[in-house]
Amino acid sequence: GQNIDQPTEMTATEGAIVQINCTYQTSGFNGLFWYQQHAGEAPTFLSYNVLDGLEEKGRFSSFLSRSKGYSYLLLKELQMKDSASYLCAVRVPSGGGSYIPTFGRGTSLIVHP
Amino acid sequence: GAGVSQSPSNKVTEKGKDVELRCDPISGHTALYWYRQSLGQGLEFLIYFQGNSAPDKSGLPSDRFSAERTGGSVSTLTIQRTQQEDSAVYLCASSLLGESGEKLFFGSGTQLSVL
Repeated sequence: GQNIDQPTEMTATEGAIVQINCTYQTSGFNGLFWYQQHAGEAPTFLSYNVLDGLEEKGRFSSFLSRSKGYSYLLLKELQMKDSASYLCAVRVPSGGGSYIPTFGRGTSLIVHP
Repeated sequence: GAGVSQSPSNKVTEKGKDVELRCDPISGHTALYWYRQSLGQGLEFLIYFQGNSAPDKSGLPSDRFSAERTGGSVSTLTIQRTQQEDSAVYLCASSLLGESGEKLFFGSGTQLSVL
């Protein structure tokens, strides 16, 4: 089966930096995504990594190591609005032969003043 | 509209009834996915449509679940003889081949409650 692990919950202080980790053991790999989901809303795309290394986009960065089955999302200069669930998804082969984004359970980030 | 549209936003039904959930993807997106999200759980893949190819139904949890996509656009997810364990948020997403790893654009979902 496909296994994607993230911490359930994290807390951080406004203005600080937080790193959310994601580890995966999957049969096949074709890219890793991070999505943000505010309570009661749809997930929205944050980042995509398919090669090893760091992708930076404003306050958010995402890192991938395929050999270690490991990724992290780094959020800098935290703001209250960053309080949300962060979903790690790995594109893996499905039972039907397609590559499908498969999601972890998400990490609930709480930012406090 | 500019985004993925789902209807209804909320559906309350009685156990044993059939329900239909609708998804309008972003115009021009060839790929369409259905996921469901239960409280405290990750998104669970249900079914995937890509262009005119046969759908990938490998995520459907039972034969009570089916979906179709007409004209390569609108999709309907049907759940027959609903059970209480079917209660969840049903999310539809569409994507465009070759764009940022085919990132998903999600609709706001249908909250299904089976009494």
